[in-house]
Amino acid sequence: GAVVSQHPSWVICKSGTSVKIECRSLDFQATTMFWYRQFPKQSLMLMATSNEGSKATYEQGVEKDKFLINHASLTLSTLTVTSAHPEDSSFYICGTGQGATGELFFGEGSRLTVL
Amino acid sequence: SQQGEEDPQALSIQEGENATMNCSYKTSINNLQWYRQNSGRGLVHLILIRSNEREKHSGRLRVTLDTSKKSSSLLITASRAADTASYFCATEAGGYNKLIFGAGTRLAVHP
Repeated sequence: GAVVSQHPSWVICKSGTSVKIECRSLDFQATTMFWYRQFPKQSLMLMATSNEGSKATYEQGVEKDKFLINHASLTLSTLTVTSAHPEDSSFYICGTGQGATGELFFGEGSRLTVL
Repeated sequence: SQQGEEDPQALSIQEGENATMNCSYKTSINNLQWYRQNSGRGLVHLILIRSNEREKHSGRLRVTLDTSKKSSSLLITASRAADTASYFCATEAGGYNKLIFGAGTRLAVHP
């Protein structure tokens, strides 16, 4: 299966700062990357779909200006949480598909804590 | 948004017992998938069942799909402590590979 590397695995920041999370596909070209958010003991909520070379598609209720997504190359997609607040503290996971099987391959996730 | 519900929300069993988790969904599907997540980690794909399939096996995993009831079940036989994790079902939501996840079942297998 595909290998997806996500970095950092955890980050602590102060309110008002911005945090960038990177998601890399190591062994294939990812034209699409899905970004999910997960609160403790809850399910994954799809935030947005990033597409290489074009604008990301955001799910209803997700602030575009708050969660900036960039997919500038076929191997790298980034999520930037801007002007972070404590309520942005969460577990963020990226995932991408390969081929027509439908399954997704996920990064190990990034735990963000905003103080 | 979440596709549906899973039950139970939490399941605690002894090693060697079987674990059954259920998933319901709301819309028509091409396939349904099950994923596993260890605490604080990413998700790992377990098995995919297509809409025209009713049952599928993979090792100690058995998945069933009932499209008339819009439900699926995941059975883990002869459970082990290493099976302790959260299990999620997922269905595609109108986009290629775009998955919507169920609420998940937290499974604890005690030695």
